[in-house]
Amino acid sequence: DTAVSQTPKYLVTQMGNDKSIKCEQNLGHDTMYWYKQDSKKFLKIMFSYNNKELIINETVPNRFSPKSPDKAHLNLHINSLELGDSAVYFCASSQDRYSYGYTFGSGTRLTVV
Amino acid sequence: DAKTTQPNSMESNEEEPVHLPCNHSTISGTDYIHWYRQLPSQGPEYVIHGLTSNVNNRMASLAIAEDRKSSTLILHRATLRDAAVYYCILRDPSTTGGFKTIFGAGTRLFVKA
Repeated sequence: DTAVSQTPKYLVTQMGNDKSIKCEQNLGHDTMYWYKQDSKKFLKIMFSYNNKELIINETVPNRFSPKSPDKAHLNLHINSLELGDSAVYFCASSQDRYSYGYTFGSGTRLTVV
Repeated sequence: DAKTTQPNSMESNEEEPVHLPCNHSTISGTDYIHWYRQLPSQGPEYVIHGLTSNVNNRMASLAIAEDRKSSTLILHRATLRDAAVYYCILRDPSTTGGFKTIFGAGTRLFVKA
C-alpha cells in the first residue's frame, strides 16, 4: 500500500478548465500539505491542513481551493487554469503540525496548454 | 525558514563515501537542520535531522559544526540508487504548519559506477 497516494499522476488540460487533484494518506497522520514544484525545481508550500482545519494558506491565487473531507484526504481544486499553473504538485503528510518527518506522494505533473 | 547554501552538484564513485556540505550562517538557536532527498520523478524523502550533536541513522550520518553554521550529510557508501537531489533545510520545530519556502536548488549528486 502506498503511504501517500496522489491521482492523477499526469494531467494535461486546456487553459480555462477546472481540474482536481486528489490525495490520500494511510499513515494515520494528522497534518497534510500541498506543495508546488516549479520548473526551477523550487518546492514551495501552498496549503497545510491539520485534522481537517486549514492552518497554512500561503499567497496562492484564490483559483486554488483545497478541501479536506477527513484527515486522511486532502484534495486540490483549481479553477480557470492558466499556463503558469503548469508544475508538479506534491501532497505530503506528517504525524502532526510540528513533525519533522514528512512523507511525500510521487507528485502530479500538471500541464496547461 | 532561514537560508541555506549548497553546491549545485557533486560527483561520487560507487561504493565510496560522499560528503554533502551545507552552509547556514544565519541559523537561529532553535532551528533544526533537516536533510531530504528527491530521486528522479519522485517526491522528496526524509533523510535525517539534528540540532547540535552528530546523528546517525540507517540512511546517513549528519555532522554538525560546533558553531552550527554549517553541516555535512555523509553517505557512507554511495550506490547508484543514491543519485538524487539533496536538500538541506532549517526549521524551528515550534513553527506550526510545516516547512514554508523550502527545497531550493539543493545539490544534485551523480554516482558513477
